[in-house]
Amino acid sequence: DQQVKQNSPSLSVQEGRISILNCDYTNSMFDYFLWYKKYPAEGPTFLISISSIKDKNEDGRFTVFLNKSAKHLSLHIVPSQPGDSAVYFCAASERNNDMRFGAGTRLTVKP
Amino acid sequence: GAGVSQSPRYKVAKRGQDVALRCDPISGHVSLFWYQQALGQGPEFLTYFQNEAQLDKSGLPSDRFFAERPEGSVSTLKIQRTQQEDSAVYLCASSPDNWQPQHFGDGTRLSIL
Repeated sequence: DQQVKQNSPSLSVQEGRISILNCDYTNSMFDYFLWYKKYPAEGPTFLISISSIKDKNEDGRFTVFLNKSAKHLSLHIVPSQPGDSAVYFCAASERNNDMRFGAGTRLTVKP
Repeated sequence: GAGVSQSPRYKVAKRGQDVALRCDPISGHVSLFWYQQALGQGPEFLTYFQNEAQLDKSGLPSDRFFAERPEGSVSTLKIQRTQQEDSAVYLCASSPDNWQPQHFGDGTRLSIL
């Protein structure tokens, strides 16, 4: 069962523009959401998180938005940079146990 | 080291052999997780330890898979009588406690011939 879905396998954005990555989930018990970034042959690197008591969390160029009623999560990167090119995974869990991942979205930022 | 360390980075085994994968979590991290990542997919949860206690092993695909963390630090994932479908990247992650993000190692790429 796919409890976390990233429906866009890839996204291409021009440098300096906004990148928006989307994620949907089905389990209403999830209360902790994270975004990870992954380069080839490396493990996922933590990017930003949000708990279910918030609807927005910002860290520099990265902002995560949570819409609990729609069970939807998004990551905004602005401005996008070529070094942001990677695979981005959305993840969700109950109290940071048993984390469920989406299949990932490959972001390409073109110079 | 500062991060989660996994060894070996690559492992090739013949079908039917047993393998053991090692994870050194970040020092002081209470929680330790194992994930399996197939090509083109996101990581899938296998099992979770809090200190030496294995609190959740619901993701282990069969009884050929066994994980331990006897002293609450280093963990080993063992796969007995390996099958071709066990070929994947095995990721280990640790976190200080709940409500803290999990930090991942670079994984072990296991290939079963």
